[in-house]
Amino acid sequence: EIVLTQSPGTLSLSPGERATLSCRASQSISRSYLAWYQQKPGQAPRLLIYGASSRATGIPDRFSGSGSGTDFTLTISRLEPEDFAVYYCQQYGSSPPGLTFGGGTKVEIK
Amino acid sequence: EVQLVESGGGLVQPGGSLRLSCAASGFTFSNYEINWVRQAPGKGLEWVSYISSSGSTTYYADSVKGRFTISRDNAKNSLYLQMNSLRAEDTAVYYCARDRTPGYYYFDYWGQGTLVTVSS
Repeated sequence: EIVLTQSPGTLSLSPGERATLSCRASQSISRSYLAWYQQKPGQAPRLLIYGASSRATGIPDRFSGSGSGTDFTLTISRLEPEDFAVYYCQQYGSSPPGLTFGGGTKVEIK
Repeated sequence: EVQLVESGGGLVQPGGSLRLSCAASGFTFSNYEINWVRQAPGKGLEWVSYISSSGSTTYYADSVKGRFTISRDNAKNSLYLQMNSLRAEDTAVYYCARDRTPGYYYFDYWGQGTLVTVSS
């Protein structure tokens, strides 16, 4: 099973600042099959990024993904008030039953 | 508009059973693979189970294998999760989530979730 480790656990930033979230895999993820989700309290997760760097439909371009192999990054270029949430990475390079999520990074208002 | 609506959650005693449902609308249900993903209170996301578009292929996380059964009825646009021998650690919000593209196991639409509480 591929273990995903997200860091930091919590990121305290102000609106307008840049957020950089990390997702590190215990082994290389084939074909950069990594997705990012945003989850707000009481809501279901929302797909942001797939294939490590492709934005999902309707996702603003301030969200960007990068990386390959074992190291991946989600960047929010300028935080908007609605961006404060928990972010999860998920690898799908290992087909089911090997799908795994990271533990999440909470982006909170400083 | 794509919608996934879960139901069937509730309070159940350890060792008991529960059947979750997920009603789909706004897309051709029979063309899509669907998953169950759960989230324990205050915790992260955990993939639980997958079913192919036809229902012929299923997969389970080790934590639920042998206790949970995923199924679907394409005529009714519905997905199910039969949960038996429930344990306290199965307490979670259960989401159904659609694979965006066949064969690519990431999820573009999620339901709002249904809470399962296993407690005596």
